[in-house]
Amino acid sequence: AQSVTQLDSQVPVFEEAPVELRCNYSSSVSVYLFWYVQYPNQGLQLLLKYLSGSTLVKGINGFEAEFNKSQTSFHLRKPSVHISDTAEYFCAVSRGGKLTFGQGTILTVHP
Amino acid sequence: GAVVSQHPSWVICKSGTSVKIECRSLDFQATTMFWYRQFPKQSLMLMATSNEGSKATYEQGVEKDKFLINHASLTLSTLTVTSAHPEDSSFYICSAPQEDTQYFGPGTRLTVL
Repeated sequence: AQSVTQLDSQVPVFEEAPVELRCNYSSSVSVYLFWYVQYPNQGLQLLLKYLSGSTLVKGINGFEAEFNKSQTSFHLRKPSVHISDTAEYFCAVSRGGKLTFGQGTILTVHP
Repeated sequence: GAVVSQHPSWVICKSGTSVKIECRSLDFQATTMFWYRQFPKQSLMLMATSNEGSKATYEQGVEKDKFLINHASLTLSTLTVTSAHPEDSSFYICSAPQEDTQYFGPGTRLTVL
């Protein structure tokens, strides 16, 4: 079985500041890792994914994440956030097509 | 590409009635689709896997007789909430895989009065 822990339930930041949303996972086998963003009353939009290869993954909207196998982490980063980045972010692991989600991190960007 | 739609986007029904939610993959085919439920301020929980041409597989604790799933074609899965009660009020989201990635529908907000 796999599990995902998002270490911060809420992250407030000011506009143009950098941000890191933390994600740790546990799994006894290799998994695929994902970050999704959810805006209020909407479905999930894929930000980025790690399947294999380079451990630094770049996604949409200027986000990137780094897969660290030894620390079983997949933290999401953005060097300069915008007001429009305010949303809830979910880290997930996939095995056999089934996704296990973390609890979510609400990112609030203040002007 | 990889667009998934859901219908309706929201529905209000009376307790005891049944509600059907559709999930469609618009530009690709999916032999499996997944149904999730999300309660307010919580994460998504997988309810079941919808399999085209065979029975759905349900996660532990999910009542298969209450949440009927039919995967009618390679682009359509339906979830029917039977005899809905207020505790079934939630946000229901489907996903369909393309290669190694799940693509999600916009969700259906169900409110049972």
